[in-house]
Amino acid sequence: QKEVEQNSGPLSVPEGAIASLNCTYSDRGSQSFFWYRQYSGKSPELIMFIYSNGDKEDGRFTAQLNKASQYVSLLIRDSQPSDSATYLCAVKRAGGSYIPTFGRGTSLIVHP
Amino acid sequence: DTEVTQTPKHLVMGMTNKKSLKCEQHMGHRAMYWYKQKAKKPPELMFVYSYEKLSINESVPSRFSPECPNSSLLNLHLHALQPEDSALYLCASSQVRDSTEAFFGQGTRLTVV
Repeated sequence: QKEVEQNSGPLSVPEGAIASLNCTYSDRGSQSFFWYRQYSGKSPELIMFIYSNGDKEDGRFTAQLNKASQYVSLLIRDSQPSDSATYLCAVKRAGGSYIPTFGRGTSLIVHP
Repeated sequence: DTEVTQTPKHLVMGMTNKKSLKCEQHMGHRAMYWYKQKAKKPPELMFVYSYEKLSINESVPSRFSPECPNSSLLNLHLHALQPEDSALYLCASSQVRDSTEAFFGQGTRLTVV
């Protein structure tokens, strides 16, 4: 079982819709969770991080964390074509490890 | 300043060449990383430096040789690479604490011919 699982997609949504990206992780003691956006040929760019159960909102982005279910998601409201990218979930393991473990990423396509 | 700077942006090298990739950050981060990323794959961890000491080497071939001259700089020396080593090489840095994010440089697109 991979440590961080994401559906590779592509996830296709129409412009203006809500895009929902999901990530599950295997280490129950994981403490920190990050969402990166990566455009083709570019480096990952941090867009959200979440440490506590519940929702965290930043503009059009909402991260949701459920540690009991080992599940973290990213919602993008009012999706725009410029949101089309690969979204990488990263998890920092428990036990003092500061090194992020990445999922394979989900490709999002927002079509006009 | 949340910038990690990598040079060069693009590099084409022959299999007998020796070249180096450079990475610099001035955020006071004491953990620095090299990742390799192939197309449509997630970043794959290669090396981790913590307080200028190599703390993780993920079974990377010896033709890749990392170096951390000081707390702001990280180099990756390349020698006798193979065409399959062509990839995007990403440098990242973070604080040496659990709950902090890692910041990535823009990457070096390496092509081995």
